[in-house]
Amino acid sequence: LAKTTQPISMDSYEGQEVNITCSHNNIATNDYITWYQQFPSQGPRFIIQGYKTKVTNEVASLFIPADRKSSTLSLPRVSLSDTAVYYCLVGDIRDSNYQLIWGAGTKLIIKP
Amino acid sequence: DVKVTQSSRYLVKRTGEKVFLECVQDMDHENMFWYRQDPGLGLRLIYFSYDVKMKEKGDIPEGYSVSREKKERFSLILESASTNQTSMYLCASSLPTTGLGGYTFGSGTRLTVV
Repeated sequence: LAKTTQPISMDSYEGQEVNITCSHNNIATNDYITWYQQFPSQGPRFIIQGYKTKVTNEVASLFIPADRKSSTLSLPRVSLSDTAVYYCLVGDIRDSNYQLIWGAGTKLIIKP
Repeated sequence: DVKVTQSSRYLVKRTGEKVFLECVQDMDHENMFWYRQDPGLGLRLIYFSYDVKMKEKGDIPEGYSVSREKKERFSLILESASTNQTSMYLCASSLPTTGLGGYTFGSGTRLTVV
């Protein structure tokens, strides 16, 4: 099972671009990289998913280098409401006997 | 809007009670999961199911059981609640591979056992 390493916490300011990097040195060939956002007292919410290169949707971009040993979640022009914990998850339940490892996540605090 | 719905947001139960946590999804997902989340310990998998009437143990199944009689419903049962089962319980569902959009989680049930 691929393990991930993320910063424990980050601070930024409204209107800035925030980049959160996740290391996953032992990612397997078939593994996907998925990012989730979690607010207090709520379940995690899917943000974005990728396999290689760059993926963009309406809320974020995901950058994955060629070796896939890391990935970077990019949040453009953050607001106070982006304050949350962000989790990087690597793997596919199909290949991991349905069990993926959730790390501690990155606590992102956006200041006015 | 697709949804995973957990029957209760907050529950308070007494030690020794039998507790049922219900989860329903409307996405026709094959897989369903029960996690608990505790400060400093992250999300830990209790049980999962990849088909109706199928169930598999996760990392911490002790003290819990599950039931999946219909595809859309996955129930978590605490046979005899104890104070160390006070936690946030999260239900999730997914397609057969999480490479197709990952998990969809419910809002969670915060259970307090007194």
